[in-house]
Amino acid sequence: QKEVEQNSGPLSVPEGAIASLNCTYSDRVSQSFFWYRQYSGKSPELIMSIYSNGDKEDGRFTAQLNKASQYVSLLIRDSQPSDSATYLCAVGFQKLVFGTGTRLLVSP
Amino acid sequence: SQTIHQWPATLVQPVGSPLSLECTVEGTSNPNLYWYRQAAGRGLQLLFYSVGIGQISSEVPQNLSASRPQDRQFILSSKKLLLSDSGFYLCAWGGPGTGGVYEQYFGPGTRLTVT
Repeated sequence: QKEVEQNSGPLSVPEGAIASLNCTYSDRVSQSFFWYRQYSGKSPELIMSIYSNGDKEDGRFTAQLNKASQYVSLLIRDSQPSDSATYLCAVGFQKLVFGTGTRLLVSP
Repeated sequence: SQTIHQWPATLVQPVGSPLSLECTVEGTSNPNLYWYRQAAGRGLQLLFYSVGIGQISSEVPQNLSASRPQDRQFILSSKKLLLSDSGFYLCAWGGPGTGGVYEQYFGPGTRLTVT
């Protein structure tokens, strides 16, 4: 059974701080890794994808992948109250396995 | 650009009634299509996966079925709803995203309450 684990949170950070969200996965042969943001009552929105070990930056978001440790993370710099949402980690290729998400709360 | 539509947005149905949820995709050809369910406080569960017209893979045994009558249309159905069918139903399409790598994008979802 392929599993993706995330801390459910909530992770509380002040506005302007760096939020660090973590995810571990069980399937060693996984090739593609994704972060989705889901606001309450809305559908998930893809914000980052990463395929190679190392860091990938897009604006205030940085995804980090360590395949040897089976670990993927998302850093959000200069966190804003509008970043408050649940962040879902997903692993796979054409069929994804999702974690249950980490709830992020950014306080003004 | 690609757009995915789902309807209805919300639905309240009694136990034992039938169900039909529809999903259509615009702006892409021959997409992979997916149905997911997200129960309250739980993660996303893949229900069905389709790589083409009439080609459906069922991921979990249940009283739901899916059909793909056209390339960009995906339908989720049930003959008799159970209370446990309540949840947020999400359609997604998969294909080359930014940079040409395979990604999945979700529609707005249908919130189903079975009473």
